[in-house]
Amino acid sequence: LAKTTQPISMDSYEGQEVNITCSHNNIATNDYITWYQQFPSQGPRFIIQGYKTKVTNEVASLFIPADRKSSTLSLPRVSLSDTAVYYCLVGARDDKIIFGKGTRLHILP
Amino acid sequence: KAGVTQTPRYLIKTRGQQVTLSCSPISGHRSVSWYQQTPGQGLQFLFEYFSETQRNKGNFPGRFSGRQFSNSRSEMNVSTLELGDSALYLCASSSTGYEQYFGPGTRLTVT
Repeated sequence: LAKTTQPISMDSYEGQEVNITCSHNNIATNDYITWYQQFPSQGPRFIIQGYKTKVTNEVASLFIPADRKSSTLSLPRVSLSDTAVYYCLVGARDDKIIFGKGTRLHILP
Repeated sequence: KAGVTQTPRYLIKTRGQQVTLSCSPISGHRSVSWYQQTPGQGLQFLFEYFSETQRNKGNFPGRFSGRQFSNSRSEMNVSTLELGDSALYLCASSSTGYEQYFGPGTRLTVT
């Protein structure tokens, strides 16, 4: 399982675009990159998943460079309700899923 | 589709007792995973079941066990409870083996 490194915390303001970068230098060929969001006392919520280049859904975009050693989760025009912990995970299908410490994102008014 | 459900939502037990937590996955999902979340250790993987068989296991003592039934519902058991077992226990189900869908969790307090 590839180890991931992401910032412990980030602050931003409402209406801004937020980019959270995750490093995964030892990513394997079969590994996908997945991001989850977690609010206090709730289970994590799947946000987005990708293998290479760019993936976009109604919530976020995920940018993955050609070497796949890092990825960036982009949240457009954040609001106060986006304050949460964001986890970056790397793994192949049916791997056991290991969560790191995540990034605590704090959105300020 | 209904989401993942967990029962009970809250539980208070005494040291030395045992506890059983239940998880009903999303309909059609055959994989169920369990996690323990504490402020100090974060989200830790306990085990995963697929088609009634344990497929993956984390680094928890044997006091933590689980099982999965033919309808994919899963139970987790903790015997001889310790104060350190106080945590939010989360269950997640998956159909693809990639993204997981989490339930609301069971908050266990051991006194």
